[in-house]
Amino acid sequence: AAGVIQSPRHLIKEKRETATLKCYPIPRHDTVYWYQQGPGQDPQFLISFYEKMQSDKGSIPDRFSAQQFSDYHSELNMSSLELGDSALYFCASSRTDMNTEAFFGQGTRLTVV
Amino acid sequence: KQEVTQIPAALSVPEGENLVLNCSFTDSAIYNLQWFRQDPGKGLTSLLLIQSSQREQTSGRLNASLDKSSGRSTLYIAASQPGDSATYLCAVSGDNAGNMLTFGGGTRLMVKP
Repeated sequence: AAGVIQSPRHLIKEKRETATLKCYPIPRHDTVYWYQQGPGQDPQFLISFYEKMQSDKGSIPDRFSAQQFSDYHSELNMSSLELGDSALYFCASSRTDMNTEAFFGQGTRLTVV
Repeated sequence: KQEVTQIPAALSVPEGENLVLNCSFTDSAIYNLQWFRQDPGKGLTSLLLIQSSQREQTSGRLNASLDKSSGRSTLYIAASQPGDSATYLCAVSGDNAGNMLTFGGGTRLMVKP
């Protein structure tokens, strides 16, 4: 079965650079979520989209933005990167008209140097 | 604000033991609860989903229970194996479909041969 696809898997950026992370949800899933997991920490919710509209917002810095496109893929844009942004970034998707089980991608490991 | 706590933080057991992981949450107004497995540096694999109206779910050697009113869930692993070694995360959603997940800090499980 198709899973949530994230790209790239690994990314190294310098401070003050920008990064774009991509997420392709499971087909027919209508909700996409972004989470950030720092070293040794549990995942923290950043933002979510339902049917291409922002539905929920968590602890996402103003330097970050995200959107969901007409084909349901989502992108997380991160600007003015800081060392503290180094983390695993997960995308998840679910289908709200079913059991809403969230399925996670393998994540993008972002390292800011 | 929802807070999720997992006890113990770490657990080391010999192969073959049955074990119980605990999860508690402060706000009982949840839509569902999920248990995940995470291997080091890897993504989150959904193990079990319990809807708020359900009491338990079973998958193979795993059984998860939910007592929504007391804000508790347990994950029971029968006949543990070295391959079960991983971090187990409990997460609860808000009280509507498609709400974000709030994670506990996880239980790091080591099953020794």
